[in-house]
Amino acid sequence: GDSVTQMEGPVTLSEEAFLTINCTYTATGYPSLFWYVQYPGEGLQLLLKATKADDKGSNKGFEATYRKETTSFHLEKGSVQVSDSAVYFCALNTNQAGTALIFGKGTTLSVSS
Amino acid sequence: DGGITQSPKYLFRKEGQNVTLSCEQNLNHDAMYWYRQDPGQGLRLIYYSQIVNDFQKGDIAEGYSVSREKKESFPLTVTSAQKNPTAFYLCASSPRTEVETQYFGPGTRLLVL
Repeated sequence: GDSVTQMEGPVTLSEEAFLTINCTYTATGYPSLFWYVQYPGEGLQLLLKATKADDKGSNKGFEATYRKETTSFHLEKGSVQVSDSAVYFCALNTNQAGTALIFGKGTTLSVSS
Repeated sequence: DGGITQSPKYLFRKEGQNVTLSCEQNLNHDAMYWYRQDPGQGLRLIYYSQIVNDFQKGDIAEGYSVSREKKESFPLTVTSAQKNPTAFYLCASSPRTEVETQYFGPGTRLLVL
């Protein structure tokens, strides 16, 4: 079945370090891919998305490129801040009628000053 | 301001009791979803609804029930048949023009007394 695998955390970085969180997927057809962020005690916020191969989603300094050849959608940021500390979820939607998002298990990022 | 509201923020359930979690959206979105989040397991789909008066079971529907009498409301009832209800419950919705993307509410944390 369709699935998302993301790197296990926690990821601990110092402020201004480079961030990569790996995400790979298994899906039939051409899914849309997403990164969501969850701050402590809150719901999920859409961070960025890409709906077709080679698309790059970007927002707030984060970016991810939809790589169909490697079935990947890795999240990157050039210089993290303490305020980026959160749980990051990779997700896909197969775009078929009646389907919902399929999530990875989440990666906790902790940034220290 | 448009958005998704969930209430209450915290809910306590006694053994054998049914409790209902509220989800309301004023975004004019057609589809609505309920997810359950447990630590280290990501999010799992409970129920979803694409239109009023219609809903479908997700991956873990046992012990839960929903209704969709109005477009803006999608309440979730956790019944006494759900033996392990302690979790964080997230409601989401998506617009007809952007069906692949879901927007989340702030969540309700359910605890068993």
